[in-house]
Amino acid sequence: QQPVQSPQAVILREGEDAVINCSSSKALYSVHWYRQKHGEAPVFLMILLKGGEQKGHDKISASFNEKKQQSSLYLTASQLSYSGTYFCGTERSGNTGKLIFGQGTTLQVKP
Amino acid sequence: EAQVTQNPRYLITVTGKKLTVTCSQNMNHEYMSWYRQDPGLGLRQIYYSMNVEVTDKGDVPEGYKVSRKEKRNFPLILESPSPNQTSLYFCASSTSDPLGGTDTQYFGPGTRLTVL
Repeated sequence: QQPVQSPQAVILREGEDAVINCSSSKALYSVHWYRQKHGEAPVFLMILLKGGEQKGHDKISASFNEKKQQSSLYLTASQLSYSGTYFCGTERSGNTGKLIFGQGTTLQVKP
Repeated sequence: EAQVTQNPRYLITVTGKKLTVTCSQNMNHEYMSWYRQDPGLGLRQIYYSMNVEVTDKGDVPEGYKVSRKEKRNFPLILESPSPNQTSLYFCASSTSDPLGGTDTQYFGPGTRLTVL
């Protein structure tokens, strides 16, 4: 079953912050986050494993609440290059290669 | 250069004419997957493979076939394409991370298929 992402779309000004949420009705082993620019393939951002781990990369970080089966992606001081569609991908068990993606959140950063 | 390649990149065909979209990776990855992307629906997994000769259905397998005879190749076959299979298709590969989950998925450039 597809995880649910919210919001579906968000528009920001450069320098503003954004949070994208990903919720699943099933217990999760891991959550992946990817960004896709228009006309391109999705590109990996980060993976979070069960255990409530929080990761960060530059001004993009994410958390994973295993008990709530939720993950959030935090974009701080957004840049124009952050524009694109963000997907979370959820994995219910390890050693399968089976990743279920959400419907995506479109982020537009304006000057 | 580590990469996933897909061919063709663009394809226009007619209903019922069998076609194959090839996918190849040069990273020695165990896991490979096919996804279709449609507006508002995100990426939906069609089939995935855990290794050579091991494949399983994803969420939308109807109308598709796959095979994994070699580790590097994972072709997607549409035996009798229909207009509702018009979509953008992505192949992806990954390995397992040290804790047993799926590691980074590397995506191919995509194949835009139109079935008339």
